[in-house]
Amino acid sequence: SQTIHQWPATLVQPVGSPLSLECTVEGTSNPNLYWYRQAAGRGLQLLFYSVGIGQISSEVPQNLSASRPQDRQFILSSKKLLLSDSGFYLCAWSTPRQFQETQYFGPGTRLLVL
Amino acid sequence: GESVGLHLPTLSVQEGDNSIINCAYSNSASDYFIWYKQESGKGPQFIIDIRSNMDKRQGQRVTVLLNKTVKHLSLQIAATQPGDSAVYFCAENGGRRALTFGSGTRLQVQP
Repeated sequence: SQTIHQWPATLVQPVGSPLSLECTVEGTSNPNLYWYRQAAGRGLQLLFYSVGIGQISSEVPQNLSASRPQDRQFILSSKKLLLSDSGFYLCAWSTPRQFQETQYFGPGTRLLVL
Repeated sequence: GESVGLHLPTLSVQEGDNSIINCAYSNSASDYFIWYKQESGKGPQFIIDIRSNMDKRQGQRVTVLLNKTVKHLSLQIAATQPGDSAVYFCAENGGRRALTFGSGTRLQVQP
């Protein structure tokens, strides 16, 4: 069966510091991968998606970037965090080449920028 | 713009009662819909989905109804239990590469 991991689970970082959040998927090959951000009490905002190694699409202009160095690894980064980057970050995967299919979410990383 | 929204931000029900959570969508191209359950501090969990060629689909204690005429989606939970307390999101994927989520409804189950 497929599983999706995210770490760390919780992170407290000072403003201006760098960020690296990691997501890995097991049990599937060449998945579509997604990064979402969720503000407290709100819905999910798509940040990035990827259809393959090195292929990243950005949905909204922001202070963050994403990379996919391996087939089942998706990384969310920032060079300098802003207060507004605080939130709950979720990684998700879906069946390869089928975007109109269910997305399965990881456990999330809660980021607090102080 | 296109959007997916929910009618009720909070729904409080008694344990054992049936719950109905509603969702409206405006993208006429949407042909796939999903309901997710999100417990506090966790990622959304898939509950049930439905395609636009159906108007009803049943799972274990859950039923999703789709009314394409009025662009309305609902999630029915039978015999609601305390473990059903969570935020429920509808999502649609009207031809785009990712899901569009509604703002969510918080379901509170009273003992």
